[in-house]
Amino acid sequence: DQQVKQNSPSLSVQEGRISILNCDYTNSMFDYFLWYKKYPAEGPTFLISISSIKDKNEDGRFTVFLNKSAKHLSLHIVPSQPGDSAVYFCAASEQSANAGKSTFGDGTTLTVKP
Amino acid sequence: ETGVTQSPTHLIKTRGQQVTLRCSSQSGHNTVSWYQQALGQGPQFIFQYYREEENGRGNFPPRFSGLQFPNYSSELNVNALELDDSALYLCASSLGMRGNSPLHFGNGTRLTVT
Repeated sequence: DQQVKQNSPSLSVQEGRISILNCDYTNSMFDYFLWYKKYPAEGPTFLISISSIKDKNEDGRFTVFLNKSAKHLSLHIVPSQPGDSAVYFCAASEQSANAGKSTFGDGTTLTVKP
Repeated sequence: ETGVTQSPTHLIKTRGQQVTLRCSSQSGHNTVSWYQQALGQGPQFIFQYYREEENGRGNFPPRFSGLQFPNYSSELNVNALELDDSALYLCASSLGMRGNSPLHFGNGTRLTVT
């Protein structure tokens, strides 16, 4: 029973265009969502997060949108750059829980073509 | 600011053996978590340590155990290794123990069990 799903294993976009990465979750207790980026041979690095009290959070070229009723979030990268090519993981957690367990999706490999 | 460091980077063990993986937290971080990442999957939460005590555990058997030291460094021990334990083991530190604290990952230890 996978509680966080990233249904697209891969995505390819042209440099300068928008990249949209999607994530769905099933656990209603999740109220905090994070995106991580992972390059080969490196650990994941934190990118951006959003609390369930918001529906949008923006940081430079990266914007995360949250649709609580649909249990769906998306990461928008505009404009996409070749250096954005990496695996992107969506993660979800419960803010009030005593332990900061994060539940991850299986990732989407983004390729940005020059 | 020193990031999260893990050792060793690669390890090969035989089924039934025991292994110890080590992690140094990012400076100033008091919480450490361990994740297992199988090939093609997202990281799975093993457990979290806060103030030298286990603060939460995922769906892993007791042969997975850990320690956190006063300097916030940590060890992951796995006894009676099984072939399915072959994976990338990621250590992550954070400023707080709750779910809204972004994780700072090390580059991982690749464990192969033969």
